[in-house]
Amino acid sequence: DQQVKQNSPSLSVQEGRISILNCDYTNSMFDYFLWYKKYPAEGPTFLISISSIKDKNEDGRFTVFLNKSAKHLSLHIVPSQPGDSAVYFCAASKSGNQFYFGTGTSLTVIP
Amino acid sequence: DTEVTQTPKHLVMGMTNKKSLKCEQHMGHRAMYWYKQKAKKPPELMFVYSYEKLSINESVPSRFSPECPNSSLLNLHLHALQPEDSALYLCASSPGPWDTQYFGPGTRLTVL
Repeated sequence: DQQVKQNSPSLSVQEGRISILNCDYTNSMFDYFLWYKKYPAEGPTFLISISSIKDKNEDGRFTVFLNKSAKHLSLHIVPSQPGDSAVYFCAASKSGNQFYFGTGTSLTVIP
Repeated sequence: DTEVTQTPKHLVMGMTNKKSLKCEQHMGHRAMYWYKQKAKKPPELMFVYSYEKLSINESVPSRFSPECPNSSLLNLHLHALQPEDSALYLCASSPGPWDTQYFGPGTRLTVL
């Protein structure tokens, strides 16, 4: 049973615009969430995280929003750049326990 | 040194071969992980080493055998694999168990 879901397999965005990637989870005990970025033939690279005590965390062009009541998190990339084109995975865990990964969203930023 | 390295990058092996995948980190991390990832799927956890001891084995077949010689090294020994074992094998490490994990580039394994 998939506890973390990314319902959009792919997303295309024009360069300079905002990219919004979404992730839903089913386990209300999850309290730590991460986003990873993956280029082809490379391992996932850690991007940004958020704990359940916050509803927003920002790092440069990347912002993660957490809506605990909806069990939903999103990653905003502003402005989007062609180098952002990659597969983005969200992951969730209950502190001190296994991470569960979503199936990924392939982002294409069009120059 | 802030990265996880994996060797080899690519490996092709027959079903009767024995081979090993290697993973190394020099960040002082005390937890290391093996994941398997098939195309268009999320990484699947295989093994977790915490303070050089195997703490989780996610019902992985015995043809996969992990080894943690020291806190910086993690090996995955392969024997009598099946074609369906072809995948990207990812190693990750974290400062402590289940802290943010940092992944290596992976080994692309093809079993003929």
